[in-house]
Amino acid sequence: GAGVSQSPSNKVTEKGKDVELRCDPISGHTALYWYRQSLGQGLEFLIYFQGNSAPDKSGLPSDRFSAERTGGSVSTLTIQRTQQEDSAVYLCASSLAGGEPYEQYFGPGTRLTVT
Amino acid sequence: AQKVTQAQTEISVVEKEDVTLDCVYETRDTTYYLFWYKQPPSGELVFLIRRNSFDEQNEISGRYSWNFQKSTSSFNFTITASQVVDSAVYFCALRSQAGTALIFGKGTTLSVSS
Repeated sequence: GAGVSQSPSNKVTEKGKDVELRCDPISGHTALYWYRQSLGQGLEFLIYFQGNSAPDKSGLPSDRFSAERTGGSVSTLTIQRTQQEDSAVYLCASSLAGGEPYEQYFGPGTRLTVT
Repeated sequence: AQKVTQAQTEISVVEKEDVTLDCVYETRDTTYYLFWYKQPPSGELVFLIRRNSFDEQNEISGRYSWNFQKSTSSFNFTITASQVVDSAVYFCALRSQAGTALIFGKGTTLSVSS
């Protein structure tokens, strides 16, 4: 079946602009995660959604970052007033459920470059 | 605090050599889960294995094997008879029972030359 998909694959934006990154999880997966991968910080957790529960936002680095998940499926990660340090690959993952440690399946990522 | 350490930043081997990737973790939880992921040059993280803290049996899958030792807080990964297609970045990760996020190590870049 189809895996996790993300769009766009690449995004170049000017400092100060807002960007939206999209994630389509695997059908039937109720848990969705956003991670960020950068050279200096490695892979960092950002936010987690499970069904209709309140999201776990503990990994968001600043209030410029927000995410939503509509209809329990597609998720959008929004970065406002982008800064150069936001340049990274943003990875989305989904799993069958969040309560159990099911393996997380990752999408190909969105490479964000802030100029 | 939870932490995963992959001390080997880069490893280079020649095809058919065996190679072991080290992973050491820190956690105060009694129940936790360990994972290995592979990130080939294409960039997509590929799940390899999950191991529960209460199951210390080693596992073998083809040329891949994993050695889990709670006494040393290690979860090492061995590739036997390495191949060029094994070239990738390998990540070890930890998750507590109560947690949701994976805590990743910095990764080990494996280069296999022919």
